Amino acid sequence: SQWGEENLQALSIQEGEDVTMNCSYKTYTTVVQWYRQKSGKGPAQLILIRSNEREKRSGRLRATLDTSSQSSSLSITGTLATDTAVYFCATDRGSALGRLHFGAGTQLIVIP
Amino acid sequence: GGIITQTPKFLIGQEGQKLTLKCQQNFNHDTMYWYRQDSGKGLRLIYYSITENDLQKGDLSEGYDASREKKSSFSLTVTSAQKNEMAVFLCASSILGSNERLFFGHGTKLSVL
Repeated sequence: SQWGEENLQALSIQEGEDVTMNCSYKTYTTVVQWYRQKSGKGPAQLILIRSNEREKRSGRLRATLDTSSQSSSLSITGTLATDTAVYFCATDRGSALGRLHFGAGTQLIVIP
Repeated sequence: GGIITQTPKFLIGQEGQKLTLKCQQNFNHDTMYWYRQDSGKGLRLIYYSITENDLQKGDLSEGYDASREKKSSFSLTVTSAQKNEMAVFLCASSILGSNERLFFGHGTKLSVL
């Protein structure tokens, strides 16, 4: 699980396996965004899930949001070696203008 | 589609030096951001700007200045580089605010000797 000032977590799996990464947050948010950052690149958004949504899917990705426990998860089914990256969750802490706060991230390594 | 261009890609400075990082976007987005990324850590917000000539401090603004003279550009100045400092600075933009998608540049990697 990731948030705030925690250090980066690492996860290593075999190609083809499914994986779930978790994120917990401390302050109300209007959205949770999940980003992926590949080596040497900037983060790219994967999924945005709003506070009135419980689940969002995009291809092999599935994000969930539980506002009562203030937690979100990102699942990837049938991982590929190209899914190797750092995955971040980010929240707005209730303010729609300007401040997106990122967790420490999960380093996912998918072994071919 | 659009793109965010950060220059330079690599920046090597001396302790105490003032260093400027530049960012250009052609999305026509209103809001732009500067984040700092340290190895093994999450992104920390330095400054953001919701429109031309607007500046808002983030969580890590001390030691930095920013400038948004045009809608398409946002620059960041390290006012006095710290010895052995090493980080990646990421610029981003979005249509409105933080409840929308952020588009990031590839980053400027700073090393201070």
